[in-house]
Amino acid sequence: DSGVTQTPKHLITATGQRVTLRCSPRSGDLSVYWYQQSLDQGLQFLIQYYNGEERAKGNILERFSAQQFPDLHSELNLSSLELGDSALYFCASSYGTGDGPGQYFGPGTRLTVT
Amino acid sequence: EDQVTQSPEALRLQEGESSSLNCSYTVSGLRGLFWYRQDPGKGPEFLFTLYSAGEEKEKERLKATLTKKESFLHITAPKPEDSATYLCAASNTGFQKLVFGTGTRLLVSP
Repeated sequence: DSGVTQTPKHLITATGQRVTLRCSPRSGDLSVYWYQQSLDQGLQFLIQYYNGEERAKGNILERFSAQQFPDLHSELNLSSLELGDSALYFCASSYGTGDGPGQYFGPGTRLTVT
Repeated sequence: EDQVTQSPEALRLQEGESSSLNCSYTVSGLRGLFWYRQDPGKGPEFLFTLYSAGEEKEKERLKATLTKKESFLHITAPKPEDSATYLCAASNTGFQKLVFGTGTRLLVSP
């Protein structure tokens, strides 16, 4: 158990809908990262927040957004969902943003868009 | 563009048969090279971070090494419970962005 929690575990929704994925980082970790993992693309970095502020952006679509709250939990919002958005979404956390131990991943949310 | 390539895509070993997994990277100004283990349907589990060429780290039957162009994950006398996908990732900006390879699926048969 990495100490990172994600809810829900599974989500099934229809095209055009909007969903929110939630992540609680390990105790003491200030950085939260979101990744998308699909069968043909592997793990793709989406976005990072550090202590409530956006720090880095990867291949995140404009239909997706995220935020980190004062209690350090984070939410990833996916809107106008398309079939191609079906994937595993992982949250990871680390203490800082610089060198040090690796990011610790949560168990993921499996999103299925029908 | 930063890139991480892992080989082989899949590897089947007999229990006790040692082997190595390869991770080649093209990242300008490497700040860290990371190895993760991922079981089906689960999140990646952190194994090692390597920072500079020549560095080695060990954990049980696993040893990770780093050169200026590639990293190896050596598995000594593997057991069936070592079966998993092993992911390699590189970063040139600390932890802000990890670039992952597509992984090596390892199957160890008893």
